[in-house]
Amino acid sequence: DSGVTQTPKHLITATGQRVTLRCSPRSGDLSVYWYQQSLDQGLQFLIQYYNGEERAKGNILERFSAQQFPDLHSELNLSSLELGDSALYFCASSRGLAGMMGADTQYFGPGTRLTVL
Amino acid sequence: AQKVTQAQTEISVVEKEDVTLDCVYETRDTTYYLFWYKQPPSGELVFLIRRNSFDEQNEISGRYSWNFQKSTSSFNFTITASQVVDSAVYFCALTPIQGAQKLVFGQGTRLTINP
Repeated sequence: DSGVTQTPKHLITATGQRVTLRCSPRSGDLSVYWYQQSLDQGLQFLIQYYNGEERAKGNILERFSAQQFPDLHSELNLSSLELGDSALYFCASSRGLAGMMGADTQYFGPGTRLTVL
Repeated sequence: AQKVTQAQTEISVVEKEDVTLDCVYETRDTTYYLFWYKQPPSGELVFLIRRNSFDEQNEISGRYSWNFQKSTSSFNFTITASQVVDSAVYFCALTPIQGAQKLVFGQGTRLTINP
């Protein structure tokens, strides 16, 4: 158990809908990352938050957005869902931020499997 | 741009055999971290090891060992005396020590250990 929790574990929805995925980082971790794992794209970085602020962005679609709250949990919002958004979405957390103490290890949650029908 | 290549898509061996998973990477960063993660059939990603680019000492942890060679940009992972529980998809990943801490993953190697 990495200490990172994600809810829900599974989500089935229809095209055009909007969903919210939730992540709670390990105790003491300030950085949260979101990744998407799909069969065709593999594991892709989406976005990073550090202590409530966006710090890095990857290939995240405009239909997707995220935020990190004062209690450090994070939510990934996916809207206008398409069939191709079906994937396993991982959240990861780490202690800090590059430049402060160097890049550190990211620990991953169990993932949320999203199925868009 | 950074890139991680795991050329072996699938490997299948019999229990107790040794197996090596290859990882080759490309980066322009002078300092970086390399990682191995394991994804068992249950789906979670489990951290196995992190290696600094400035430390080429090989590492052994039980039946697992890692061979980092900066000259060939490789970070290979060997499992000695494999067990059925080692069956999983293994990912090699890279991130710079400074700057955006996004992990760049290889495509993964699916390892099947047969009894």
